Amino acid sequence: AQTVTQSQPEMSVQEAETVTLSCTYDTSENNYYLFWYKQPPSRQMILVIRQEAYKQQNATENRFSVNFQKAAKSFSLKISDSQLGDTAMYFCAFMKDGANSKLTFGKGITLSVRP
Amino acid sequence: EPEVTQTPSHQVTQMGQEVILRCVPISNHLYFYWYRQILGQKVEFLVSFYNNEISEKSEIFDDQFSVERPDGSNFTLKIRSTKLEDSAMYFCASSTAGRDTQYFGPGTRLTVL
Repeated sequence: AQTVTQSQPEMSVQEAETVTLSCTYDTSENNYYLFWYKQPPSRQMILVIRQEAYKQQNATENRFSVNFQKAAKSFSLKISDSQLGDTAMYFCAFMKDGANSKLTFGKGITLSVRP
Repeated sequence: EPEVTQTPSHQVTQMGQEVILRCVPISNHLYFYWYRQILGQKVEFLVSFYNNEISEKSEIFDDQFSVERPDGSNFTLKIRSTKLEDSAMYFCASSTAGRDTQYFGPGTRLTVL
């Protein structure tokens, strides 16, 4: 079974600064996918970024980038130029490669961006 | 941009009553999922559905739960006899293929009194 661990329950960052959210996972799979989802106060789950384990290059989406360390089973999210709208709960999630695979989520981290 | 929709946004029910939560997945998606999130806790997988069959279900998804795709657009989750501990946010998600990114609906908040 897969597990996803987000050990920081909450973080705070000043607007325009950079913040890194940590995530580790445990799996015996070789091929899999990793995700960061954002959940603002509206509680909608919004995809932030996706990483395929077979790709060595770290995924980026505008101000969001990941540091994927496969050997260490680490998948951190870096948010650059933080904005007030980034205030949300952030969930790291794992999906193994295969048809119809479910997402396994971490407990999430609450990020507050201060003006 | 196409999106997953869910109705109702909030459902209040009495313990023991049946509820049906509805979802309209993105139109060209073939894989459908239900997840739930008890307040303050992590999101948990309930069930996955493909080709009119359940593909996988979690331990939470006992015989009080059922899913159905009654027509070409809707995907429903039924809880036959609700319990207090069923109070949670229920999310529907869909994807084009099993390996693809799952896109979530806005959720239905279920409150069981």
